Amino acid sequence: QVQLVQSGAEVKKPGSSVKVSCKASGGTFSSYGISWVRQAPGQGLEWMGGIIPSFGRTNYAQKFQGRVTIIADESTSTVYMELSSLRSEDTAVYYCARSSVVTPAYVDYWGQGTLVTVSS
Amino acid sequence: DIQMTQSPSSLSASVGDRVTITCRASQGISNYLAWFQQKPGKAPKSLIYAASVLQSGVPSKFSGSGSGTDFTLTISSLQPEDFATYYCQQYNNFPYTFGQGTKLDIK
Repeated sequence: QVQLVQSGAEVKKPGSSVKVSCKASGGTFSSYGISWVRQAPGQGLEWMGGIIPSFGRTNYAQKFQGRVTIIADESTSTVYMELSSLRSEDTAVYYCARSSVVTPAYVDYWGQGTLVTVSS
Repeated sequence: DIQMTQSPSSLSASVGDRVTITCRASQGISNYLAWFQQKPGKAPKSLIYAASVLQSGVPSKFSGSGSGTDFTLTISSLQPEDFATYYCQQYNNFPYTFGQGTKLDIK
């Protein structure tokens, strides 16, 4: 069955960077895209960006442009999301989610989430 | 960015009830609308895509409709496991924006 397994919780200092991984299994990696969505404590869902590994194409929300980088390693079926210049407002659970490569692309499966805490 | 507005923000209902949640887009998005269910401390679960198509394994008590700017999610015969927060999301234009969520709790 399809699984997206994310890396573990992180505690970071303001101004630093965090890199979260999302390893996919149970499907053909090149047939899907991966999006990243975050959820601050007690808040709603926020789309950050996504990648289609087979096309090497990324899209980022303007809000995160310049701070977020999403890359894919097809050899390990893993997608990484790196967020830099962290501030306290970046404290959130970060989810990866799978979608088709055909746009507009809907999400079908989600990772379990990774809590990133930004604190001095 | 396309703004997605859900109503109501919260809703109380009883087991066995039928409820409807509305999602409105600030501009037309054709039928590129998805619905998700999220329970406390858990990842979202995909319910519906293309406004009305059930994801694999989702029971037929969930149904979606709409096109353009106005969409609905209907849940019939509520069971205890259906009490959760529901989100809509448009995926017609980047960035793929979500509604603010509708919290469904037991009356």
